[in-house]
Amino acid sequence: GAGVSQTPSNKVTEKGKYVELRCDPISGHTALYWYRQSLGQGPEFLIYFQGTGAADDSGLPNDRFFAVRPEGSVSTLKIQRTERGDSAVYLCASSLRAGDSGQETQYFGPGTRLLVL
Amino acid sequence: SQKIEQNSEALNIQEGKTATLTCNYTNYSPAYLQWYRQDPGRGPVFLLLIRENEKEKRKERLKVTFDTTLKQSLFHITASQPADSATYLCASYNQGGKLIFGQGTELSVKP
Repeated sequence: GAGVSQTPSNKVTEKGKYVELRCDPISGHTALYWYRQSLGQGPEFLIYFQGTGAADDSGLPNDRFFAVRPEGSVSTLKIQRTERGDSAVYLCASSLRAGDSGQETQYFGPGTRLLVL
Repeated sequence: SQKIEQNSEALNIQEGKTATLTCNYTNYSPAYLQWYRQDPGRGPVFLLLIRENEKEKRKERLKVTFDTTLKQSLFHITASQPADSATYLCASYNQGGKLIFGQGTELSVKP
């Protein structure tokens, strides 16, 4: 497909477990973003990649969260020792270039709904 | 810190009326503001971008304004339809290149 895809669409896990969430951006998009969205709130920035490198990871809440994009395309968000408070929708987006100009449109995936029991 | 705020109260209007949603920004002066639509269970979808020197921008039934004095953008949907029911998000890049979102306003258009 031509859009951003995310897998799995839903993930239920137990407190303390490790989870990986995957994002396939639009082909050719150099920038990739991860957001977390809680009910009734807008997306909250976590991290963004320009190519393979994390250009800004200031939104990651703590060191249990980590993301990689080893070949500049697919990205994985990894959460260690999950906590109930990590339950949210995790959104991925991509854009043709980074947002330095302020004009870049981001294209979002459908999200992964994570529930930590 | 740089913030974008939207009215978190849901907006309920009758079909055919104009819906007006508000977005206010504080502690920075964005050159552009973006509006997205989000349906339940989906990711946000880009609708419109307005530049600070564009007072108004239109796309079909949508109109966005940008008032740098009031630090505010208004988003209007004219001749609203039930299919316009969704959450609408205002967003802007901060100086660090991060896209910052407001909390969104849920619009419900009743037939």
